[in-house]
Amino acid sequence: ETGVTQTPRHLVMGMTNKKSLKCEQHLGHNAMYWYKQSAKKPLELMFVYSLEERVENNSVPSRFSPECPNSSHLFLHLHTLQPEDSALYLCASSQEYLAGGRYEQYFGPGTRLTVT
Amino acid sequence: AQTVTQSQPEMSVQEAETVTLSCTYDTSESDYYLFWYKQPPSRQMILVIRQEAYKQQNATENRFSVNFQKAAKSFSLKISDSQLGDAAMYFCAYRSSETSGSRLTFGEGTQLTVNP
Repeated sequence: ETGVTQTPRHLVMGMTNKKSLKCEQHLGHNAMYWYKQSAKKPLELMFVYSLEERVENNSVPSRFSPECPNSSHLFLHLHTLQPEDSALYLCASSQEYLAGGRYEQYFGPGTRLTVT
Repeated sequence: AQTVTQSQPEMSVQEAETVTLSCTYDTSESDYYLFWYKQPPSRQMILVIRQEAYKQQNATENRFSVNFQKAAKSFSLKISDSQLGDAAMYFCAYRSSETSGSRLTFGEGTQLTVNP
């Protein structure tokens, strides 16, 4: 595998279910990101991890719980979601998370989530 | 806070012709980075081109070039010799060089159709 991979690619879950999204990067990067992409809205940054520590949490509801066990893996645990949480969830990674922002983010293919 | 605006929700171009996608942004910073990302139907977000604000020369990547007007806060993307594979959603994005982290602020996107 190369680049950034995400599993599953599609997920349908009920509002009472618990599921997890997985992201893995094979680029040797130290920073990882979760984005939410809803129809007709710009991408929204949800969480940022740098060296396995969460450095940003942009007012995301607690029903979304991220986990970064190591610099290559990032999870998004989901529980008691709402229909409005249906969206494409994109993972990205970059070499570093530093002031100066020189490093590009590389994106995974996304997980299409539908909450019924 | 920075904002990015793409005023063209949809654009179309004939194969082999040239098209320009518009992007404007608002910032009080003097140093930053601008990007164009492409998201084809596969949903994989792919970096097309980047521009450093301190560079006066417009960035070019093969058939893709930008017109960066710093004073006007404008960053348009020109696609020359359009190909069917260029059909995608195109996102303009801004990243600060003065604040910590690698946060990207995205525009709403422009859906580009390439007609054979």
